[in-house]
Amino acid sequence: DSGVTQTPKHLITATGQRVTLRCSPRSGDLSVYWYQQSLDQGLQFLIQYYNGEERAKGNILERFSAQQFPDLHSELNLSSLELGDSALYFCASSVLSGANTGELFFGEGSRLTVL
Amino acid sequence: DQQVKQNSPSLSVQEGRISILNCDYTNSMFDYFLWYKKYPAEGPTFLISISSIKDKNEDGRFTVFLNKSAKHLSLHIVPSQPGDSAVYFCAASEGGATNKLIFGTGTLLAVQP
Repeated sequence: DSGVTQTPKHLITATGQRVTLRCSPRSGDLSVYWYQQSLDQGLQFLIQYYNGEERAKGNILERFSAQQFPDLHSELNLSSLELGDSALYFCASSVLSGANTGELFFGEGSRLTVL
Repeated sequence: DQQVKQNSPSLSVQEGRISILNCDYTNSMFDYFLWYKKYPAEGPTFLISISSIKDKNEDGRFTVFLNKSAKHLSLHIVPSQPGDSAVYFCAASEGGATNKLIFGTGTLLAVQP
């Protein structure tokens, strides 16, 4: 158990809809990262928050947005969903923004299926 | 553009033998390299890492080698065990203010009993 909690574990929705994925980081971790894993792809970095502030942005679509709340949990909002958005979405956390060890702790992921 | 590449989608080895997983990268600014293991229906878990100032790091059965001139790293597992069967991801970090990781596409390792 990594200590990172993601909900929901599975989600099935239709094209054009909007969903929200939630992540609670490990106790004490200030940084939250979101990654997308599509079929046969590696983990693609989407966005990072550190103590409530956006710290880094990757290949995140404009239809997607995220935020980190004062209690440090984070939400990833996906809107106007398309079939290609079907993927595993992972949240990870770390203590510091620049820990220099690189180690991130991952949740079990949220599997999104868009029909 | 794929900054971290794992060119072997899968690898099969016999129990007790050595498993060698390879990874290539293109960004010379990476200063930390990591290997993660992932079982089905679970999130990736950290396995071992190496700083760019070293060429080898060992932890039990796992050893990571880094060849900076070739921009290549490898993970050696000796001896391989059936429980090692999983997808292995290579990842790299530029460190600094973000600590975000760039991942390869993964190699599925199957250790045959």
